[in-house]
Amino acid sequence: ETGVTQTPRHLVMGMTNKKSLKCEQHLGHNAMYWYKQSAKKPLELMFVYSLEERVENNSVPSRFSPECPNSSHLFLHLHTLQPEDSALYLCASSQTANYGYTFGSGTRLTVV
Amino acid sequence: GESVGLHLPTLSVQEGDNSIINCAYSNSASDYFIWYKQESGKGPQFIIDIRSNMDKRQGQRVTVLLNKTVKHLSLQIAATQPGDSAVYFCAENSLDTGKLIFGQGTTLQVKP
Repeated sequence: ETGVTQTPRHLVMGMTNKKSLKCEQHLGHNAMYWYKQSAKKPLELMFVYSLEERVENNSVPSRFSPECPNSSHLFLHLHTLQPEDSALYLCASSQTANYGYTFGSGTRLTVV
Repeated sequence: GESVGLHLPTLSVQEGDNSIINCAYSNSASDYFIWYKQESGKGPQFIIDIRSNMDKRQGQRVTVLLNKTVKHLSLQIAATQPGDSAVYFCAENSLDTGKLIFGQGTTLQVKP
């Protein structure tokens, strides 16, 4: 365990479904992130939260909706996704933006 | 044996040999660099980091070299073991962006 826990590990959803990914960290970090990892591509930064405020939205479609209720939890709400959204979604946290990130194991999402 | 050169998507080495994985970064203002290792089914794990005021840093069996002149980063793994088989990513961070940007990964295959 790395200190960042993501659930579920695997998710299969239809294009009309609504689901949520959950991330939890108990490292006392101030910043949390969502990354998308597709095959043969670098990790793509999606959202950044610092002290529970969203500070970055990297041109992500509105069908992805993040939520950070407190400094330990981060959610990614999904609705009306497309098959090309199938990927590994990684959550990470860091003490500040200028330190290394601790990653969770990811949620493998398949949109059918 | 060793392999030095431009970024390679895949590097295959014999067990016991040394490995060198290369990375070119883009932002001359980047001041913090990290190497991550990602095994199948897991999120990226921190290996070693280096700040821009250094050109070399050593860990256990790993060494990171930073050449700011040509914006090049490398990871050296001594006496490569089967457990080192994974995808390795470099990442850069800068005070002006406050974001960790990942490079293309290199898949390291260790032959017994």
